[in-house]
Amino acid sequence: QSVLTQPPSMSGAPRQRVTISCSGSSSNIGNNAVTWYQQVPGKAPKFLMYHDDLVPSGVSDRFSGSKSGTSASLAISGLQSEDEADYYCASWDDSLNGWVFGGGTKLTVL
Amino acid sequence: EVQLFESGRKLVQPGGSLRLSCEASGFALRDYAMSWVRQAPGKGLDWVSCITASGGSTFYADSVKGRFTISRDNSKNTLSLQMNSLRAEDTALYYCAKVSETYCSRSSYMDNWGQGTLVTVSS
Repeated sequence: QSVLTQPPSMSGAPRQRVTISCSGSSSNIGNNAVTWYQQVPGKAPKFLMYHDDLVPSGVSDRFSGSKSGTSASLAISGLQSEDEADYYCASWDDSLNGWVFGGGTKLTVL
Repeated sequence: EVQLFESGRKLVQPGGSLRLSCEASGFALRDYAMSWVRQAPGKGLDWVSCITASGGSTFYADSVKGRFTISRDNSKNTLSLQMNSLRAEDTALYYCAKVSETYCSRSSYMDNWGQGTLVTVSS
């Protein structure tokens, strides 16, 4: 059971917009920044977003993030087949004194 | 370009020990905290441990506290994870990751990952 909660799977058609949610508590998301990672099967995780809504250089601007209270979300607009992957949220947890991850969301592009 | 290379596949019996290494290049290792994250087969990401840039402070997940020890040698650009009293549930792909700043803290995050090394604990 992961500390952060994500939907196990989501799907969307090409060119559509999907939003992946990540729910936590006051000891993690409610008090600390959220980071998002993308993992294509068989590959290492790729750094996708940091400090809730900042996109690293080299990452498509089709990705955007937001946070409200103890929940965060990752939005992907203009879905493309290459976006098919597992997405993980992460945040520092003040009670555990370390990072916690969501269980991951498998995104399928129809 | 940041590069992180973990050592190869390893098989160990339950109760045994193993030491993982990660070679870092393309950045000044001494300026950044480093972390280990694992992923059991078919499962999600699971943070294991973090060490500050100087090596002065270490942090562990409850599941490995007292069994695993993280260390670093900045002069050799190497991060290590000593794993003792291994259990079947420790079977996973272990990733070495660079942290965004000097400390393992609420404002930092893991921004570069290695390809991982597979650890299998089985009799």
